[in-house]
Amino acid sequence: DTEVTQTPKHLVMGMTNKKSLKCEQHMGHRAMYWYKQKAKKPPELMFVYSYEKLSINESVPSRFSPECPNSSLLNLHLHALQPEDSALYLCASSQEEGTDGYTFGSGTRLTVV
Amino acid sequence: GESVGLHLPTLSVQEGDNSIINCAYSNSASDYFIWYKQESGKGPQFIIDIRSNMDKRQGQRVTVLLNKTVKHLSLQIAATQPGDSAVYFCAENIGHTGKLIFGQGTTLQVKP
Repeated sequence: DTEVTQTPKHLVMGMTNKKSLKCEQHMGHRAMYWYKQKAKKPPELMFVYSYEKLSINESVPSRFSPECPNSSLLNLHLHALQPEDSALYLCASSQEEGTDGYTFGSGTRLTVV
Repeated sequence: GESVGLHLPTLSVQEGDNSIINCAYSNSASDYFIWYKQESGKGPQFIIDIRSNMDKRQGQRVTVLLNKTVKHLSLQIAATQPGDSAVYFCAENIGHTGKLIFGQGTTLQVKP
């Protein structure tokens, strides 16, 4: 299995809702990443997990809460989002933090209403 | 500062021609570079990578060139096909930090 799987593919949520994005990989990668991508812009790094521990938080607002329950799973919990948080959220993984093999999932298209 | 940029936002080529997409980076500590292809509604797809101890790497129909002296990266696509139409991003990894930084992207349009 050489894929990063993200669910759901699309999500519409209200500003008072709580939702979660899920990411899964079975390549034995020990680093996992969350990126945010606005339309016609490059992906921007949000969080890095290495060996299930948070390694990098790129000053992301606390309404985004990451979680890595095990080496294959990465979640992003969402609460009290704003319309400007609407974007494509991408998950990626690599062998180790900062090494080769960065593989991206297809993303979750999030719309906040 | 840390930045990765591309020289042209859109590149239009004729089917069958070769394409060259350029990228400039500014961080001398970057030691690993990746080119990604992103089609509409999809995640970035790995094309080819190169480490800073190399200046050229070839794949199937693609070649990446790295010039560390002028901090320049390029992606060459041979015999461009309509299926190559997409946005292409270069990305740099800064010294094993886990930070993979993307450039602004170049849209490649292939005319039949």
